[in-house]
Amino acid sequence: GNSVTQMEGPVTLSEEAFLTINCTYTATGYPSLFWYVQYPGEGLQLLLKATKADDKGSNKGFEATYRKETTSFHLEKGSVQVSDSAVYFCALHTGTASKLTFGTGTRLQVTL
Amino acid sequence: DAMVIQNPRYQVTQFGKPVTLSCSQTLNHNVMYWYQQKSSQAPKLLFHYYDKDFNNEADTPDNFQSRRPNTSFCFLDIRSPGLGDAAMYLCATSRGGTSYEQYFGPGTRLTVT
Repeated sequence: GNSVTQMEGPVTLSEEAFLTINCTYTATGYPSLFWYVQYPGEGLQLLLKATKADDKGSNKGFEATYRKETTSFHLEKGSVQVSDSAVYFCALHTGTASKLTFGTGTRLQVTL
Repeated sequence: DAMVIQNPRYQVTQFGKPVTLSCSQTLNHNVMYWYQQKSSQAPKLLFHYYDKDFNNEADTPDNFQSRRPNTSFCFLDIRSPGLGDAAMYLCATSRGGTSYEQYFGPGTRLTVT
């Protein structure tokens, strides 16, 4: 079956530090990959996506590259801000199913 | 702006008293989902509708039901809430077909007293 594994949190960084949140997956076929962000007390927001190997998704300074050879989709940002503090979920979709498979989420805390 | 709307944002109910949460969308998407999310966990899919077709997850308790009277609205009914049902309930939509990225509402936080 499909699964998504994310690095354990919380991740605590100082403002302007470099961010990496690891995500690896197991899937049948060729999945589409997503990163969602959830700010406190809110629903999930789609942050970025990639639909085929070597695609790079990017948004708001965040990037992730779909690496088929390592089955990974790591999230990166060059300089984090306090406002980036949130929980980040990696997810995949494959085949004809209507649903996503989510990772367990990684909490990011950015301090001044 | 096209969006997913959930009402109310906060709901308090008593143990065993039926409660209904609502979701509406202006995206005209074919698929609507209900998730349960407990603190510090990933959202757990309860069920979804693809148009009028209802798809229940195997481990969703019978206590949870859903209705989708039209494209725009979807309801989550909890027939007899227990203390363990206190959670954030998230509604989401997707276009379907070849596009399954999901768009989430802000959630309804349910408290059971």
